[in-house]
Amino acid sequence: DTEVTQTPKHLVMGMTNKKSLKCEQHMGHRAMYWYKQKAKKPPELMFVYSYEKLSINESVPSRFSPECPNSSLLNLHLHALQPEDSALYLCASSQRTEETQYFGPGTRLLVL
Amino acid sequence: EDQVTQSPEALRLQEGESSSLNCSYTVSGLRGLFWYRQDPGKGPEFLFTLYSAGEEKEKERLKATLTKKESFLHITAPKPEDSATYLCAVQALQGGSEKLVFGKGTKLTVNP
Repeated sequence: DTEVTQTPKHLVMGMTNKKSLKCEQHMGHRAMYWYKQKAKKPPELMFVYSYEKLSINESVPSRFSPECPNSSLLNLHLHALQPEDSALYLCASSQRTEETQYFGPGTRLLVL
Repeated sequence: EDQVTQSPEALRLQEGESSSLNCSYTVSGLRGLFWYRQDPGKGPEFLFTLYSAGEEKEKERLKATLTKKESFLHITAPKPEDSATYLCAVQALQGGSEKLVFGKGTKLTVNP
């Protein structure tokens, strides 16, 4: 089983709202990732957690705040987003950071 | 700088018309090359991982090959359900961290 789940599937939020995206995997993977994907572009790496510790932050604005409560869960907390943050947000996981990444279905975010 | 270039950007085939997609890369120390399929609005679906030149992998109508500078995804007798964007990515060591570097993708359309 190579399933990564993400909730919600769709999210509409105003620029003053606070919301969270959730990601879960039960494959025993120790690396988890957040990507942002705009239309007709490849995924763009945001954050990497390795063994529940943040190992990569790709200079992402502080209005995005990642959290890894345990080895199976990954959250992305959103606050005071801008309309240009509207995108498909993808979660992925892998056994370790150098191994094959498996992606979830994504959360389609619209910021009004 | 690590780079991944996919060609063509878009490809239209008739059902049953075989063809190949190309992924050329420049990376210092290839740690793995990955092919993903992505349907509109969904997360990338893992297809293949290749690690060394000469390696080949097959799955149904798809076959991936790897040389020292490029990879090909061969599609034999495609069907309309093979229509998707195919993404190539390489695992690279950047700034002391393992990252996936994606190409821009090839959008494949198979007409019945």
